[in-house]
Amino acid sequence: QKEVEQNSGPLSVPEGAIASLNCTYSDRVSQSFFWYRQYSGKSPELIMSIYSNGDKEDGRFTAQLNKASQYVSLLIRDSQPSDSATYLCALTPGYTGRRALTFGSGTRLQVQP
Amino acid sequence: DAGVTQSPTHLIKTRGQQVTLRCSPKSGHDTVSWYQQALGQGPQFIFQYYEEEERQRGNFPDRFSGHQFPNYSSELNVNALLLGDSALYLCASSLETGAYSGNTIYFGEGSWLTVV
Repeated sequence: QKEVEQNSGPLSVPEGAIASLNCTYSDRVSQSFFWYRQYSGKSPELIMSIYSNGDKEDGRFTAQLNKASQYVSLLIRDSQPSDSATYLCALTPGYTGRRALTFGSGTRLQVQP
Repeated sequence: DAGVTQSPTHLIKTRGQQVTLRCSPKSGHDTVSWYQQALGQGPQFIFQYYEEEERQRGNFPDRFSGHQFPNYSSELNVNALLLGDSALYLCASSLETGAYSGNTIYFGEGSWLTVV
């Protein structure tokens, strides 16, 4: 079993819709969770970080964490064509700085104009 | 404030050769990690340097080695290159902290290595 699982997609949504990206993980000691956006040929860019159960909102983005179910998700409201990218879920067993990130393979999102 | 800078951006090497990639961390950051990202995959952790020592290592062979300098910059060396080493190599910097602080890891733009 992979440590971080994501559906590779592509996930296709119309412009203005809500895109829902999901991620499950296997290691219960994971404490810090991150969503990175990666445009083709570019490096990952941090979108959201979440450390506690529940929801965390930042603009059009909402991260949701459920440690009991080992599940983290990212919602993108009012999706725009510029949101089309690969979204990488990542985690660390502890707090960042001291620990390496473990990434999923990413979900490719396509927002149709 | 300069972010994480990497060089070179692209390079082509032949099987069996050696390559050195370089990274300067974000100002104020003291921890450097290296990741390998093959096409269609997520980044895979290679190793992490702090205080000029390798602190943590992923599942990569000894052909992959590194170094961190007193100014926190770092190098990644790969010996005896294989075709499968073709990938985007990412450097990430962060700040070592003793307690939770919502620390953020920043990535450089990467070095594209093609082995032919």
